[in-house]
Amino acid sequence: AQSVTQPDIHITVSEGASLELRCNYSYGATPYLFWYVQSPGQGLQLLLKYFSGDTLVQGIKGFEAEFKRSQSSFNLRKPSVHWSDAAEYFCAVGKGGSYIPTFGRGTSLIVHP
Amino acid sequence: GAVVSQHPSRVICKSGTSVKIECRSLDFQATTMFWYRQFPKKSLMLMATSNEGSKATYEQGVEKDKFLINHASLTLSTLTVTSAHPEDSSFYICSAPTDTLGETQYFGPGTRLLVL
Repeated sequence: AQSVTQPDIHITVSEGASLELRCNYSYGATPYLFWYVQSPGQGLQLLLKYFSGDTLVQGIKGFEAEFKRSQSSFNLRKPSVHWSDAAEYFCAVGKGGSYIPTFGRGTSLIVHP
Repeated sequence: GAVVSQHPSRVICKSGTSVKIECRSLDFQATTMFWYRQFPKKSLMLMATSNEGSKATYEQGVEKDKFLINHASLTLSTLTVTSAHPEDSSFYICSAPTDTLGETQYFGPGTRLLVL
């Protein structure tokens, strides 16, 4: 069965610093991969997704992610973090080859001024 | 983007009572909706797939008699937690895809359930 591992429970960065959130997936075929952000009081918002094609995916809010099949990874990056980026970030893989996301446990991003 | 709402946003109930949570797609129709459960500091767990006009499909380990799902129309799905107990306290989130392939899910803001 497919699964996602987010090894970092918390990440703390200074505002303006670069960010990389790690995600490793387990799936036998080419996965559908997603990154979502969850802010208090708001629903999960899709940042970006990878289905096929270019392995570097651009998303909203200045985020990007790179699919690396050899490393079974789909890490999320942002060159300069803003205080408003503080939130919970979830990586997800499509369930059984579908588009239904199966989520990792999440990484909490803390941004210091 | 598309909007999915949930009502109520939070509910407190006594043990043994039933609680209904509504999930609505406000500006699109959804023949399928999904219900998730999120524990504190934990991942979202898919509970069931709600299908308009037919029975819901439950994930393994989810009690269908405990969590009743009804997809009454193309814009409304309800989750009823029957005979709620403290261990049912959680954050319940629904989602709906805007297209038939389901490539993009839109999530509701969630409902916080506390059972005393």
